[in-house]
Amino acid sequence: GDSVTQMEGPVTLSEEAFLTINCTYTATGYPSLFWYVQYPGEGLQLLLKATKADDKGSNKGFEATYRKETTSFHLEKGSVQVSDSAVYFCAWSYNTDKLIFGTGTRLQVFP
Amino acid sequence: GAGVSQTPSNKVTEKGKYVELRCDPISGHTALYWYRQSLGQGPEFLIYFQGTGAADDSGLPNDRFFAVRPEGSVSTLKIQRTERGDSAVYLCASSSGTGHGYTFGSGTRLTVV
Repeated sequence: GDSVTQMEGPVTLSEEAFLTINCTYTATGYPSLFWYVQYPGEGLQLLLKATKADDKGSNKGFEATYRKETTSFHLEKGSVQVSDSAVYFCAWSYNTDKLIFGTGTRLQVFP
Repeated sequence: GAGVSQTPSNKVTEKGKYVELRCDPISGHTALYWYRQSLGQGPEFLIYFQGTGAADDSGLPNDRFFAVRPEGSVSTLKIQRTERGDSAVYLCASSSGTGHGYTFGSGTRLTVV
């Protein structure tokens, strides 16, 4: 059925390390893909999105590329900061329809 | 308003009681969504409104849950005969349409004791 699979956390990194959080999805057709972030004590915020195959979403140094052939949307950042510590959710939707979320991946960055 | 507003931010209720959770979307957003997030999980879809009507209520877990949006703006999620398993953060989001993404509120943390 429709779903999102994310790598389990927590992911623990030192500052300036390279980050990858894997995400694969199961959906019929070509949904829009999203990464949301939830900082401690705050609500969900849209981090980036991609609406069609081979699109690259980017924001705040984070990037993710819509890979139709592997149904993936992996999140990457070249150099993480302590302030990036948060829970990251991969999600997809068709147009304005409901979002299907993964279970989230907690990132902890230490100085 | 500038963002999606949810009230109350916290609600503690006794098992078996009735609760109402309110969502005030961004002005002009026609689509409104309710999600439930249990501890350590991703948000789980409950119901989606387009205007005043529920376009998709397939996520409501049972008939104790009901939501309304009578004037196409503010929405209320109603839970009857609450159970301890209903404890979660209830999130509301709104959207102006295709490709514009969703804006989430800060949520209502419901605790059933």
